[in-house]
Amino acid sequence: DTGVSQNPRHKITKRGQNVTFRCDPISEHNRLYWYRQTLGQGPEFLTYFQNEAQLEKSRLLSDRFSAERPKGSFSTLEIQRTEQGDSAMYLCASSRGTGTGDNSPLHFGNGTRLTVT
Amino acid sequence: SQQGEEDPQALSIQEGENATMNCSYKTSINNLQWYRQNSGRGLVHLILIRSNEREKHSGRLRVTLDTSKKSSSLLITASRAADTASYFCATDAGYSSASKIIFGSGTRLSIRP
Repeated sequence: DTGVSQNPRHKITKRGQNVTFRCDPISEHNRLYWYRQTLGQGPEFLTYFQNEAQLEKSRLLSDRFSAERPKGSFSTLEIQRTEQGDSAMYLCASSRGTGTGDNSPLHFGNGTRLTVT
Repeated sequence: SQQGEEDPQALSIQEGENATMNCSYKTSINNLQWYRQNSGRGLVHLILIRSNEREKHSGRLRVTLDTSKKSSSLLITASRAADTASYFCATDAGYSSASKIIFGSGTRLSIRP
C-alpha cells in the first residue's frame, strides 16, 4: 500500500490559465473521489468515479471543471480559465467499494494547493 | 450543501481531559465515518460506524450513533498534544446516492499542554 499520490503539491497560476492535477489512487481501489477544501472548511464534494465511470458530479461545479479516469486507474482534474475563487486545496481520495451503500474508508492524498493570482 | 455539521466549531482543552465532538446530519444514512486532518495534510480515517450500530470503540476513541436523532458523537479520552487537529464527520448522501461521501465543516481541536 503506497498510499494516494497527488501531483503537483503546489500550483500557482495566473487568472485565466488552465491547470491540471493528477491523482494516483491505491492500486486495488475502484472508487476515486475529488474534493475541494478552503481554509477552515470541510472538504466539498466535487465528483467521484467507480472504475472509469464518473457516477456523480457536484452541481456546484461549473463547466470549467472536468475530471477523467481513463482505464479506471489514475485520475486528472482540469480547471479551465481559472478564477481567483478557484484557489483552494484539491484533495483526492480512493476506496474499495463493494456495493451501493457499502462504503469503505476513504484514503486521502495530501492534496494539491492551487493559488490563482 | 453539507450533509453533516459538527459542533462545536472549535474546542480547546487541557492535556489529559476528554474531548467530545458532535455531528448532526440530514438524511438517512448507511454509515457514518470520522476523520482527522492535521494542518496542510490530507484526511485520515479514524472510525466507521454502520447505521445498525449504536456505539463503537477504537483505542481512545468512542463513537456513538443515534439514527433517530440523526446525530453522532466522537469522544477522545485522555487527550494528548498530538490530538490537536481538525475532526470531520462524513456520511453517505442517503439511499439515492449512497456512494457519495459528504463531509461536515469540522471541529478544530486544540490540546493545551
